[in-house]
Amino acid sequence: GAGVSQSPSNKVTEKGKDVELRCDPISGHTALYWYRQSLGQGLEFLIYFQGNSAPDKSGLPSDRFSAERTGGSVSTLTIQRTQQEDSAVYLCASSLSPHRGDTEAFFGQGTRLTVV
Amino acid sequence: DQQVKQNSPSLSVQEGRISILNCDYTNSMFDYFLWYKKYPAEGPTFLISISSIKDKNEDGRFTVFLNKSAKHLSLHIVPSQPGDSAVYFCAATQGYQLIWGAGTKLIIKP
Repeated sequence: GAGVSQSPSNKVTEKGKDVELRCDPISGHTALYWYRQSLGQGLEFLIYFQGNSAPDKSGLPSDRFSAERTGGSVSTLTIQRTQQEDSAVYLCASSLSPHRGDTEAFFGQGTRLTVV
Repeated sequence: DQQVKQNSPSLSVQEGRISILNCDYTNSMFDYFLWYKKYPAEGPTFLISISSIKDKNEDGRFTVFLNKSAKHLSLHIVPSQPGDSAVYFCAATQGYQLIWGAGTKLIIKP
């Protein structure tokens, strides 16, 4: 498809299990972002990839969270030993270049993670 | 500490009238401000933006106003249509990051 694709769209997991969330960005987009939206909150920045540069991981909330981007395209966000507070919608976005006001970021539909 | 605040969780407006969505910020170093629209079970979609050096940007039914002295921006939608019912997020750019408000749910009544 032409847009940003995320899978799965919904994930229910038991506390303590590991999960992997996948993002397929728009082809040719060098910038890729992961955000998290908890209930009633705005989007919270997690991590940013730009081309072959080292990613900005400053938004990752703990060392249980990690992400990689293979071949400058697909990205995987991994959460180890999930906790109930990890329950949120995880959104991926991509853009042609680092997004500013005049560079649109395109979002996927998100993965709703529920930790029980 | 929230740098971008949307103090109204929801807003209800009659179809055909003007919708005004408000946003306040604390960081005077933000260089762009953006509005995104989000339908349930979908990702946010870009609506309109404004540079910090401007005070108004208009695109069809959508106009964004920026008041830098008050650190306040607003999105005006006129006339409001049923398809405008969605959650609207205000966001500001700091380098390559977007700093988001919590969103305002806009409901357009027939």
